[in-house]
Amino acid sequence: ILNVEQSPQSLHVQEGDSTNFTCSFPSSNFYALHWYRWETAKSPEALFVMTLNGDEKKKGRISATLNTKEGYSYLYIKGSQPEDSATYLCAFYDGTASKLTFGTGTRLQVTL
Amino acid sequence: DAGVIQSPRHEVTEMGQEVTLRCKPISGHNSLFWYRQTMMRGLELLIYFNNNVPIDDSGMPEDRFSAKMPNASFSTLKIQPSEPRDSAVYFCASTLGTSETQYFGPGTRLLVL
Repeated sequence: ILNVEQSPQSLHVQEGDSTNFTCSFPSSNFYALHWYRWETAKSPEALFVMTLNGDEKKKGRISATLNTKEGYSYLYIKGSQPEDSATYLCAFYDGTASKLTFGTGTRLQVTL
Repeated sequence: DAGVIQSPRHEVTEMGQEVTLRCKPISGHNSLFWYRQTMMRGLELLIYFNNNVPIDDSGMPEDRFSAKMPNASFSTLKIQPSEPRDSAVYFCASTLGTSETQYFGPGTRLLVL
């Protein structure tokens, strides 16, 4: 069983704060690392798919970095807004097992 | 594009009954995944298909669960007989390649009484 860990488990910030979360994954058999955004009562939506060590991706106020050698990825949100409130999931794609394993997510709540 | 379609959206059934969940992937996608979301385990992969062929069913809890994909545009997940511990949200997702971005359906919320 692959260990994909996310921290913190939950986070509560004020509007305008910048925040970041961590995803840790096995450093062997790395193929890709996915980030998804999951709003309550909806289904997960893809944010990024990252494949290269040192990769940085950005979508609006959200960005992510990847370190495959040490097995972690950071997701950053700049100037959090209430609409950013969601659970952020990362998922590790094992190139040998050809399988995507999800972390348990970081639940973000942004208040006014 | 309609996205991934799942039906029913909600299902309430009694213990022992057969439950069938349905999924229509995005047209042109060749991989389909069934996930279960529970409070305890988060999002766990049950089974996935590549070009309609089951590739990995190691996540299927037990023999009461079965899944089929008779063609590229339709898949079913069947639970027979259902038990209260099967209550969860079941998601279907499809993708162009197994490592690519997954597109999730709206989920089926199952409650077994």
